Amino acid sequence: DGGITQSPKYLFRKEGQNVTLSCEQNLNHDAMYWYRQDPGQGLRLIYYSQIVNDFQKGDIAEGYSVSREKKESFPLTVTSAQKNPTAFYLCASSTPRGSDQPQHFGDGTRLSIL
Amino acid sequence: KQEVTQIPAALSVPEGENLVLNCSFTDSAIYNLQWFRQDPGKGLTSLLLIQSSQREQTSGRLNASLDKSSGRSTLYIAASQPGDSATYLCAVRRGKLIFGQGTELSVKP
Repeated sequence: DGGITQSPKYLFRKEGQNVTLSCEQNLNHDAMYWYRQDPGQGLRLIYYSQIVNDFQKGDIAEGYSVSREKKESFPLTVTSAQKNPTAFYLCASSTPRGSDQPQHFGDGTRLSIL
Repeated sequence: KQEVTQIPAALSVPEGENLVLNCSFTDSAIYNLQWFRQDPGKGLTSLLLIQSSQREQTSGRLNASLDKSSGRSTLYIAASQPGDSATYLCAVRRGKLIFGQGTELSVKP
């Protein structure tokens, strides 16, 4: 079945450490997105990519980095510069902007500070 | 700047009741509006997508309406069931998705 796979489901970060969250999709979607969700809040966009080897900052990109070397993969690195990384991180994909197709989401990664 | 607001933040109803969830947005220049369901600790599942040219969409016991001129959408759930308990989020799309904060629904047996 087509879908989005995020791993790991739970992740713990030590002070000063960079961690990378994985997102893989087999939906053949061009666009991929990373969102952060804090308790009682909606999703906020971190980074997005419309095409391989290209990506743009979202609303809260500081302290995060991404790469898009393959169409299927869009990993997110939470760097030590992100001082408040504890949150639920969701990856999504869709056909390009303006499309009438919905975004599809993975099951998320919960990141906590040790 | 587009802002999306959902009221109420939480709602508890007895099983069998019909209910309405509200979503409002400040900029009517949208491509579409999407309603999602989120179960605890899980990702989002798309329920209904309404194009900007449409007024409503229906799927089973769910009906979503869109009034662009007033910047409002409603999600109507008929004959609610305990399995409907989840957080419901709306999002408007113009390029990227802008999400509301969600309404946490609890349906009591």
